[in-house]
Amino acid sequence: DIQMTQSPSSLSASVGDRVTITCRASQGISNYLAWFQQKPGKAPESLIYAASNLQSGVPSKFSGSGSGTDFSLTISSLQPEDFATYYCQQYKSYPYTFGQGTKLEIK
Amino acid sequence: QVQLQESGPGLVKPSETLSLTCTVSGDSITSYYWSWIRQPPGKGLEWIGYIYYTGSTDYNPSLKSRVTISVDTSKSQISLKLNSVTAADTAVYYCARERWGLDAWGQGTLVTVSS
Repeated sequence: DIQMTQSPSSLSASVGDRVTITCRASQGISNYLAWFQQKPGKAPESLIYAASNLQSGVPSKFSGSGSGTDFSLTISSLQPEDFATYYCQQYKSYPYTFGQGTKLEIK
Repeated sequence: QVQLQESGPGLVKPSETLSLTCTVSGDSITSYYWSWIRQPPGKGLEWIGYIYYTGSTDYNPSLKSRVTISVDTSKSQISLKLNSVTAADTAVYYCARERWGLDAWGQGTLVTVSS
């Protein structure tokens, strides 16, 4: 299985800040990388696919980059609704695997 | 706009079989792959397996001996069966469409394994 490691596991930031979350794959996955946002009690919502492509309706404040083994998600100008848990996920090969999550909290 | 709705018993006894259904509306079930994912309370996400409308499947090796995913195209439903459950199988279970990655998810259903 491909292991996905996110960092940090938790992050405190203020409204208006710009933050970056990183995700590392245990082996190369090209750009088969997705990012999800999950709020308490809700299903994950897809933000980005193919490492850098925004899903329809996702604001451009979210951006993704990377290829191979190292990826990042950047959120600019944080708003209260952005405080949530973020997961990366590889879909290069089965079984699909997720990172452990990064909890973004208000400072 | 595709909608996915999971349904099934919220409580299952240990050693019994967990059975869930995902009903798809607003899109053709024959167009994409469909996955099941689960999330134990307070923990991360685990991919269980996928199915294509032809019946082609693949499962997470960690669950492969206990899981079956099937499809009923006439009802636009995919189903999940997990046998010999234990407390470790207590989780929210989600179904999801794979189009541009796992781009659409159901709201999830909590299944508790307890006697």
